[in-house]
Amino acid sequence: ETGVTQSPTHLIKTRGQQVTLRCSSQSGHNTVSWYQQALGQGPQFIFQYYREEENGRGNFPPRFSGLQFPNYSSELNVNALELDDSALYLCASNVQGTGSPLHFGNGTRLTVT
Amino acid sequence: GESVGLHLPTLSVQEGDNSIINCAYSNSASDYFIWYKQESGKGPQFIIDIRSNMDKRQGQRVTVLLNKTVKHLSLQIAATQPGDSAVYFCAEYNNNDMRFGAGTRLTVKP
Repeated sequence: ETGVTQSPTHLIKTRGQQVTLRCSSQSGHNTVSWYQQALGQGPQFIFQYYREEENGRGNFPPRFSGLQFPNYSSELNVNALELDDSALYLCASNVQGTGSPLHFGNGTRLTVT
Repeated sequence: GESVGLHLPTLSVQEGDNSIINCAYSNSASDYFIWYKQESGKGPQFIIDIRSNMDKRQGQRVTVLLNKTVKHLSLQIAATQPGDSAVYFCAEYNNNDMRFGAGTRLTVKP
């Protein structure tokens, strides 16, 4: 069984730039959720994708957007980066409708300078 | 708004002792609760879960207790080991939306 994988592991961007983070879901999982984790805090829900559509969203502005592909992999895009966007971005997957726990990848550490 | 929170930000225990990590939740509509362990440089790792129709669930060395009356969740770790040192998060799940608390850092002293 292949777990959730994320790329890249680390990334440094400049304020105002755009970034794309990638995630491959665990095999057999059809739902992907993205979380932002600031240093010393718990993960904050960004959004969830199921059947290639957004299926729920947390309190994040529209410059945070995503995609899900037919193979259930996903991208998180952030436009007009701000310094406060510096965080660990976590991707998690599970199977929709089964009440199963989320399985997380090890995240992408984004630093905005 | 409603949120998941933790009573203590840090917990230090002696190796071999039992650990208890507490969590308060405020959304009475949440029907599924999960404990995660996060080690440095890694993503959260699933430990144990419990549904709202249960009040206790046991795993290997871990037990989760749910008290819906006072909206309280706890994680008990038996015979705590150095490898248990990590940050522990409780999460509540409601309508495809999982919310996390800030976490408790568990340190195991040899």
